[in-house]
Amino acid sequence: NAGVTQTPKFRILKIGQSMTLQCAQDMNHNYMYWYRQDPGMGLKLIYYSVGAGITDKGEVPNGYNVSRSTTEDFPLRLELAAPSQTSVYFCASSRMNTEAFFGQGTRLTVV
Amino acid sequence: AQSVTQLGSHVSVSEGALVLLRCNYSSSVPPYLFWYVQYPNQGLQLLLKYTTGATLVKGINGFEAEFKKSETSFHLTKPSAHMSDAAEYFCAVSVYSGGSNYKLTFGKGTLLTVNP
Repeated sequence: NAGVTQTPKFRILKIGQSMTLQCAQDMNHNYMYWYRQDPGMGLKLIYYSVGAGITDKGEVPNGYNVSRSTTEDFPLRLELAAPSQTSVYFCASSRMNTEAFFGQGTRLTVV
Repeated sequence: AQSVTQLGSHVSVSEGALVLLRCNYSSSVPPYLFWYVQYPNQGLQLLLKYTTGATLVKGINGFEAEFKKSETSFHLTKPSAHMSDAAEYFCAVSVYSGGSNYKLTFGKGTLLTVNP
């Protein structure tokens, strides 16, 4: 049972570099989410998707982009990385209006 | 717009004592409510959920929560804390946001410390 798989687990980026955080789920969930977690701030929604080809902004979308070409995959793209994007990123998936299942997270440091 | 407020960013209890973690929500429509637990360096794991029906819901590891509409609360309790309960706990609300969309919003979390 793979569930939600995120890669990589850790990454160090230099300011101005770009990267893609990968997320895949094998539960045939229509909803997928990207959150960032900063100490004492809980989880903030970056982007979410209600199905293939449909994405929408969350609370903190600036500096990020997403795409959803398949039901299974929901990559998060960081363009021009900034120190403020140092965080732990979580991908999650769910059926409509049910509990979300989370990946193990990607710890990103921008230096 | 819906929001979730967790009262107390850090709660400390003794082993065997009652655990009470507070969560209040604001929503103009009946919400679905969730409690998640996060152990260090791990993702979030569902503890329990309220959708409809019985307002007292039981979850894993002996936790339970009661949905009180009049108080817009969904507090998490456990009668007797165990050392293994030490973790961060998040309350979350899912509310219909138009079309076929639902948004899952989290509180800022409460770190539970259990003292021997």
